[in-house]
Amino acid sequence: DAGITQSPRHKVTETGTPVTLRCHQTENHRYMYWYRQDPGHGLRLIHYSYGVKDTDKGEVSDGYSVSRSKTEDFLLTLESATSSQTSVYFCAVLGPSYEQYFGPGTRLTVT
Amino acid sequence: AQSVAQPEDQVNVAEGNPLTVKCTYSVSGNPYLFWYVQYPNRGLQFLLKYITGDNLVKGSYGFEAEFNKSQTSFHLKKPSALVSDSALYFCAVRDINNDMRFGAGTRLTVKP
Repeated sequence: DAGITQSPRHKVTETGTPVTLRCHQTENHRYMYWYRQDPGHGLRLIHYSYGVKDTDKGEVSDGYSVSRSKTEDFLLTLESATSSQTSVYFCAVLGPSYEQYFGPGTRLTVT
Repeated sequence: AQSVAQPEDQVNVAEGNPLTVKCTYSVSGNPYLFWYVQYPNRGLQFLLKYITGDNLVKGSYGFEAEFNKSQTSFHLKKPSALVSDSALYFCAVRDINNDMRFGAGTRLTVKP
């Protein structure tokens, strides 16, 4: 998994609560990404980062925020979780030839 | 807008037979095309890519893909399928904003 870890791996939370997911990488990649995976949709980009404190929105950014205070950590926050945010979340980094390397994923259930 | 289509939700093949997983794309400019594989409860794994050069690219686990510019296709192929190839396969294109656009995925089942 190219030195990428995600925590937690599984989480169940209630509607309206804040949730933060963490992505940690050990290989000093500049670009990092957060995706969500839902049946029939493939992977959709939520936010990405191109350096410390440099982030931008992706295709499905509403309801999500991110932060990157260190090269190795990229945090995804759901400010007030909704049932529509039940999904599997993947973090990825950009490799040297534009390929991406993915973490193991976080399965989030919002009840 | 950049997009990727995988026209088949499911592909079934017998072990030992050749397999093809289809992908078509729409992109401005020269395409950067990728295939990824996902095994159960795992993240996506990079298989192969086309950026420039030979239209036939070879990747991991014996997979290859053929870039066809006139048909805007990038089909994934393997001459002889294994049961262990059973997984979810995603085609992706790097778009004009340097974001990766993924297809919806094709579930490959290889039967013994």
